[in-house]
Amino acid sequence: DAKTTQPTSMDCAEGRAANLPCNHSTISGNEYVYWYRQIHSQGPQYIIHGLKNNETNEMASLIITEDRKSSTLILPHATLRDTAVYYCIVRVRMDSSYKLIFGSGTRLLVRP
Amino acid sequence: EPEVTQTPSHQVTQMGQEVILRCVPISNHLYFYWYRQILGQKVEFLVSFYNNEISEKSEIFDDQFSVERPDGSNFTLKIRSTKLEDSAMYFCASSESRLAGVDNEQFFGPGTRLTVL
Repeated sequence: DAKTTQPTSMDCAEGRAANLPCNHSTISGNEYVYWYRQIHSQGPQYIIHGLKNNETNEMASLIITEDRKSSTLILPHATLRDTAVYYCIVRVRMDSSYKLIFGSGTRLLVRP
Repeated sequence: EPEVTQTPSHQVTQMGQEVILRCVPISNHLYFYWYRQILGQKVEFLVSFYNNEISEKSEIFDDQFSVERPDGSNFTLKIRSTKLEDSAMYFCASSESRLAGVDNEQFFGPGTRLTVL
């Protein structure tokens, strides 16, 4: 089962920041937080990942709380093309298994 | 930008028939995966493959399923005798590394929609 909890759905206005929360209260010290998204029925797309420091790339920023029990994915200027299901996934480092366990994710709707 | 490709985009078959879904992973990647997503449901892991053998498989991946890397570029998923409940989107993915946090993002293909009649 997925080890994360996310809101079922959210919406935001085009051009505004979209902040997607994720709870992972049982995360352990060697687990990374990964974010993927799935636009319509396309293949999941990697967005960003982090361990304990905040991370930023060309797509998004990832803010991880100091206790690591929750995180927020930030899309700084959401566009209509960012409408998708966003998945927060925890991954164990040095795990012999590398399967991604997808939960139900957050369905983000970006409004014009 | 390199990408994972899958063929066909849509496969329609009769129950009991064999199907082969094809994938071309990103060329320098070493780890390969199949996932599936039944309409309206979660993405589910099927199998991972490395060094010409299965690394891990889920309960879904029973004896009716098999994977193969027949040459240096293709990665295939075979379903020997399809059932109605095999209807789903099948996604192939590949990654450069296995270790979390170390260039191991999984890159997914666009999927093959399998419809079993």
